[in-house]
Parts: sequence; structure tokens; C-alpha cells
Amino acid sequence: GAVVSQHPSWVICKSGTSVKIECRSLDFQATTMFWYRQFPKQSLMLMATSNEGSKATYEQGVEKDKFLINHASLTLSTLTVTSAHPEDSSFYICSAREVGRSYEQYFGPGTRLTVT
Amino acid sequence: GDSVTQMEGPVTLSEEAFLTINCTYTATGYPSLFWYVQYPGEGLQLLLKATKADDKGSNKGFEATYRKETTSFHLEKGSVQVSDSAVYFCALSYSGAGSYQLTFGKGTKLSVIP
Repeated sequence: GAVVSQHPSWVICKSGTSVKIECRSLDFQATTMFWYRQFPKQSLMLMATSNEGSKATYEQGVEKDKFLINHASLTLSTLTVTSAHPEDSSFYICSAREVGRSYEQYFGPGTRLTVT
Repeated sequence: GDSVTQMEGPVTLSEEAFLTINCTYTATGYPSLFWYVQYPGEGLQLLLKATKADDKGSNKGFEATYRKETTSFHLEKGSVQVSDSAVYFCALSYSGAGSYQLTFGKGTKLSVIP
């Protein structure tokens, strides 16, 4: 149980285009979903926290208009990278916290974004 | 702000060797501490946790003790296996923080050779 999927697992897009990444909790309902960014040999850096039906809370330094997050249901959150540039190339990971549970976050396998 | 520092990798060990991955933290309050593991091609999985000082978390032969006096949460295993090859992340979180945000260390890659 407690599986989180991400789609796509790998995407290449051209500079200036937008790309959407989906994060789904497959067998549980997620109160909160988190989006992280991971650079090579670096830690996971929290980008934003989203609660179902409300606006996401972005971490300092993360551009809200560039990284659009939608958490429309208890099982789906999306991250849209708008007007992507090569510096946005990274590994994006989502996690979800189950309704009624406290500590544990369940992580997706990640999405590798390459902007050319 | 809060931070987690863990030993630089990669770490390469022979099968059945003893493993220690050091983790220290800086926090303004009393966080919960976690070790996550990321196997190749998979998402992070919770390996073990400890929620207060002197607690010992354990799972799959791995152990870590919450040491408040040294602000540490070192991961240990007595005899590693090839299947333990993965990246290990130390992390902290506050139970009173509402959304339970995690702060991660940089990760330590472990390779176990037969």
C-alpha cells in the first residue's frame, strides 16, 4: 500500500515551452502533497506544499508564476513548469501525506526534466 | 534555520561489513528524525524514525539512536548486504509544524560489493 506515482518519469522539452508533471496517490487519500527539486549530488529541496482545494504554499525563492501547482483532488497534484529554460532541468519529486496520518510522507519515483 | 548534515559519500563496503553513516542536525526545537532510503529507480522510502531523545529506530537490521546531547542520528548496520546498495537520506521534521515538512541531508550513496 501507500504508493505514489509520477508521470512522466522522464521528459525533454524545448526552451520556452511548458511541461506538466502529475503526482498521484494510488491507494490512499492525500491531505497534503509536497514538491521537491533535486540537483545531482544535492539534497531534496522543498519547493512547495499543497493542500487539496487550496493554494499551494511556496518556499522562499521559488517562483509561483513559473512553477504552477494544482491540487484539485485528494489523489492528484500537478506541477507545471511554465516557459521552461535549461536551468529548470532537474529531478522533480513529489510526496504525499495520508489523511489522518502524521509523520510519514510517501514519495513518488521522480521525474527527470531536461530543457533543451 | 534547521539543517541536516550527513557524511559525504560514496561509501563502498564489502558484503557483511559494518556500516555507519553519520548524521547531525541543527534545529531550534525538538524535531523528529528520520532515515529514508532510495533504491535505484525508485522513490524514497522511510527506513526508520525516532520522535524523541534516546529513542532508537530500527528496521531491516538498520538502527539509529536520537542523541540530543550530540544532536546526532547516526545510521548503523552490523552486516550489510548487496541489496542494501542505495542512497540514504537523513531528515528532520517538526510534529507541530502542521504540514510536517521534511528537511533533508544531501544523501549518502552506499555501494556494497560481493
